[in-house]
Parts: sequence; C-alpha cells; structure tokens
Amino acid sequence: SQQGEEDPQALSIQEGENATMNCSYKTSINNLQWYRQNSGRGLVHLILIRSNEREKHSGRLRVTLDTSKKSSSLLITASRAADTASYFCAPRSGTGRRALTFGSGTRLQVQP
Amino acid sequence: DVKVTQSSRYLVKRTGEKVFLECVQDMDHENMFWYRQDPGLGLRLIYFSYDVKMKEKGDIPEGYSVSREKKERFSLILESASTNQTSMYLCASSFFRGHSGELFFGEGSRLTVL
Repeated sequence: SQQGEEDPQALSIQEGENATMNCSYKTSINNLQWYRQNSGRGLVHLILIRSNEREKHSGRLRVTLDTSKKSSSLLITASRAADTASYFCAPRSGTGRRALTFGSGTRLQVQP
Repeated sequence: DVKVTQSSRYLVKRTGEKVFLECVQDMDHENMFWYRQDPGLGLRLIYFSYDVKMKEKGDIPEGYSVSREKKERFSLILESASTNQTSMYLCASSFFRGHSGELFFGEGSRLTVL
C-alpha cells in the first residue's frame, strides 16, 4: 500500500468560504478515498474516486483526480463551522497489501 | 449501518501491565485493522487480519500482538505496556472481495500508560 501526502498541513478559513485540500501519491492506483476525522474520534469515509474518473461530487464536496500528476484535491464549498476536522486521503493500489495507509492529514479550521 | 465498536474509549494503565483492546464489527467484514495515531505521525498500521485466525504485521508491530478467534472480533494485545505506547488506537474493518476497500472505523481508544 502507499501513503498519500496531504497539503497544506493546516488551513484556517471563514464560514462560507471554500476549502481546498490536496493529496499527492507515488504509484498507480485503483481508487483514492478521502476521510474526515473530528477531534478525538474515528475516521469517517467521505468519498471515493476511481482511477478512471476525473471528478466526483457529493453534496458540498467535490473531488478531482489527475492520475498523470498523481494528485487529487478535495474542495468543500460554502464551509460551515461543523466542517472543522482533519481530512485524510488514502490512495488504494490494485495490488499489494490490503490495508490503506494514511498520512498526517490536513487540519481544517472554519471560523464562525 | 456498519458499526465498529471499540470496547473502551479511555484507558489508563501502568507500565508492565498487559492490555487488551477489543474491537467488534457487525457487517461480516473479512478484513480488520489496528492503527495507532500520534500527533505529527498520522495513522500507522500495527496489524491486520483478513480472516479468522489469520494475521499480518503492519508497519509497527513491535510490542503488540493480535487475536482473531471470531470473524467479528479483533483484539489488540500489549503484552507489557510501555509509556511509548501511549496513543490513540483505531480499529477499522472492510470487505475483502469485490469492493472498493472502504474502511469503517471505530471511535478510537485513547490509552495512557503511566
């Protein structure tokens, strides 16, 4: 399995603004997943994008994937204070170890 | 909804004690995982299991062992707890075949070793 690297490490915005987080990875993937973690809690799966997809939407979330650059981005539109959390990407290879590997995430703070 | 339940949210143990962290899932998932999470280090994989009585080492297995006697239950064991094992421990599960590999996590167990 391979680890995604999230960027930036921390992001602070005002309510109503958009938040963009980026993820880079090293080798080819089958899919890439984004997870959210509220402080002191477990991770929750947000959205998955397959290697043959370029963009995917789910509510206020928009994920893009550029396999040629080995990168993905997560956009949260019209952010709310409740979006304050850490966000992790997890690239999943088609072969190799079954476990996902996670980086340190992006800590998003949305100021009310 | 999938539910992954970790037995204790908070534990305080003493150095040298044997510690059991229990995890139960109710979705008949084949795969189960134990991670630890430390500030600045992200989540690190300790052990995982893809079937009953099967286990594989993750990236940081030293000082830990696991047990999977039933499909729904995956236990993490610290044979002799040390202060450097103070951490947040996260259990997760997933399907094996024909699925995307999405992980379902428990709420975490925060262990403090004194």
